[in-house]
Amino acid sequence: QVHLVESGGGLVKPGGSLRLSCAASGFTFSDYYMSWIRQAPGKGLEWVSYISSFGITTYYADSVKGRFTISRDNAKKTLYLRVTSLRAEDTAVYYCARTMGFFDSWGQGTLVTVSS
Amino acid sequence: DIQMTQSPSSLSASVGDRVTITCRASQSISNYLNWYQQKPGKAPKFLIYAASTLQSGVPSRFSGSGSGTVFTLTISSLRPDDFATYFCQQSYITPPFTFGPGTKVDI
Repeated sequence: QVHLVESGGGLVKPGGSLRLSCAASGFTFSDYYMSWIRQAPGKGLEWVSYISSFGITTYYADSVKGRFTISRDNAKKTLYLRVTSLRAEDTAVYYCARTMGFFDSWGQGTLVTVSS
Repeated sequence: DIQMTQSPSSLSASVGDRVTITCRASQSISNYLNWYQQKPGKAPKFLIYAASTLQSGVPSRFSGSGSGTVFTLTISSLRPDDFATYFCQQSYITPPFTFGPGTKVDI
């Protein structure tokens, strides 16, 4: 079955950076677009970014454009999100999700906390 | 960008109740509407795509309907496991993929 496991979150100061990872298993990773979606504490879901199956096409939410970079390594079956210039409002649980227009499988999430 | 709204924002119900949640889009999205269920501290679970097609393994007490700008998620007979927050999401014009703000169903 599809299994997605995020890692790399943590406490970071404003202006800091992190690299989030999402390890995939149980499906042919290179066949699917993948996305990052975040959820601030007590809030709703916000799509952040997605990447095409071979990494040719990427899109970002306006709120993160220029600060976040999505990438993937199909050989390692791993999705990444490089987050930089972090702000307090980036504090959230970050989920990776398999993407087909809808998001049919999600990881358990990794928490990013931006605080001084 | 297409904006999504949901009503009500929360509701109280009992086991066995029929529950209906409404999702509205700011413009027509045909049937490109998807539903998710989320329990506290857990990742969202995918329930329905294309407005009315149940994802494999989702109980038949869940159903979806609608097209254009107005959609509904109905739980025909609420079970204890169904107390959760439900989100709609449009996939008609992307990016961005936009979600509704959620409807919390509690006891």
